[in-house]
Amino acid sequence: GAVVSQHPSWVICKSGTSVKIECRSLDFQATTMFWYRQFPKQSLMLMATSNEGSKATYEQGVEKDKFLINHASLTLSTLTVTSAHPEDSSFYICSANQGGGHEQFFGPGTRLTVL
Amino acid sequence: GENVEQHPSTLSVQEGDSAVIKCTYSDSASNYFPWYKQELGKRPQLIIDIRSNVGEKKDQRIAVTLNKTAKHFSLHITETQPEDSAVYFCAASTNAGNMLTFGGGTRLMVKP
Repeated sequence: GAVVSQHPSWVICKSGTSVKIECRSLDFQATTMFWYRQFPKQSLMLMATSNEGSKATYEQGVEKDKFLINHASLTLSTLTVTSAHPEDSSFYICSANQGGGHEQFFGPGTRLTVL
Repeated sequence: GENVEQHPSTLSVQEGDSAVIKCTYSDSASNYFPWYKQELGKRPQLIIDIRSNVGEKKDQRIAVTLNKTAKHFSLHITETQPEDSAVYFCAASTNAGNMLTFGGGTRLMVKP
């Protein structure tokens, strides 16, 4: 149980385009979903926290107009990287927790490469 | 906000030896401390966690200790095997939003 999927697993796009990443909880309802970014050889950095039906809470330094997060249902959250640039190239990982518990269940990640 | 520091950043051990990774945290309200193993290009995998009402927890070759007073916790891996080679992250969270703050990671290399 507690499986989280992400789609796509990797994406390559041109600079200036937008990319949407989906995060789904497959067998549970996720009250809260989290989005992380991980640059090579670095740690996971929390970008934002999203709760179903409400606006996401962004961490300091993360541009909310550039990284659009939608959490329309208890099983789906999306992250859209708008006007992507090469410096946005990174590994994006979502996670979800169940019933307000501490444990977070991670998706497999999406590797974004912006040319 | 919470700050988690992790040491060492790299650790090389001989197969069969023990490995210890240490983390400190700053927020005394933190009450949940998970450890993750991450292989290259994959998701973090929870290997053990501990809550603030417990001082030590063990699962086969893996153990975690927590010192709330000093605000530090450690991961102990005994009888290391080459397949233990990976990057290990500690993290901490409070009840407020259950957000995880990660340490910087430790690259563990187990030499056969």
